Amino acid sequence: QSVLTQPPSVSGAPGQRVTLSCTGSSSNIGAGYDVHWYQHHPGTAPKLLIYGNNNRPSGVPDRFSGSKSGTSASLAITGLQAEDEADYYCQSYDSSLSGSRIFGGGTKLTVL
Amino acid sequence: EVQLVESGGGLVQPGGSLRLSCAASGFTFSDYAMSWVRQAPGKGLEWVSDIHGLSEGTYYADSVKGRFTISRDNSKNTLYLQMNSLRVEDTAVYYCTKEEGHPYSSYHSDYWGQGTLVTVSS
Repeated sequence: QSVLTQPPSVSGAPGQRVTLSCTGSSSNIGAGYDVHWYQHHPGTAPKLLIYGNNNRPSGVPDRFSGSKSGTSASLAITGLQAEDEADYYCQSYDSSLSGSRIFGGGTKLTVL
Repeated sequence: EVQLVESGGGLVQPGGSLRLSCAASGFTFSDYAMSWVRQAPGKGLEWVSDIHGLSEGTYYADSVKGRFTISRDNSKNTLYLQMNSLRVEDTAVYYCTKEEGHPYSSYHSDYWGQGTLVTVSS
């Protein structure tokens, strides 16, 4: 059971907009700690997609955006493309744990 | 170009030991914290351990504390993970990552290696 909760799966048609959620608590996201997002195509190295809640690394399309409010964060993907089909993970920090860096359980995005 | 290349994975019996290595290039290695993140078969990503640039701080997930030791040799641009008392549940692909961000609570992995598979089985 992950400290950060993500829906196991989300789907959308090409061109659509989808939103992936990441729900935490008062000891992590709600405490103001940053949320980061990663894209992972199985068999390859995960890729940083969003850092510091809403910042895109160089080379990440502006179709990807992040936001945070209260104890939750979201990743929005607009203009869905076939290559967006992947696993997406949120990551943050938890002040109540001795091992403090935490990942969500991941969301499998299917492009219909 | 940043490159991270892991090695040292393989098959080991429960209770055994293994040392993973990660050769880094394309950046000033000692300037950055490094981490190990793993993914068990069919499971999600799990943070394992961090080490600061000059080894002034190390951190571990509860699941590996007391059994794994992270270290680095900045003269060789290499990160290590010594894994002792291995358990079946340690079976996973282990990724070496470069960390960015400050303070520690804002760390995020901006580069990842391709991973090395560790299988713990009798």
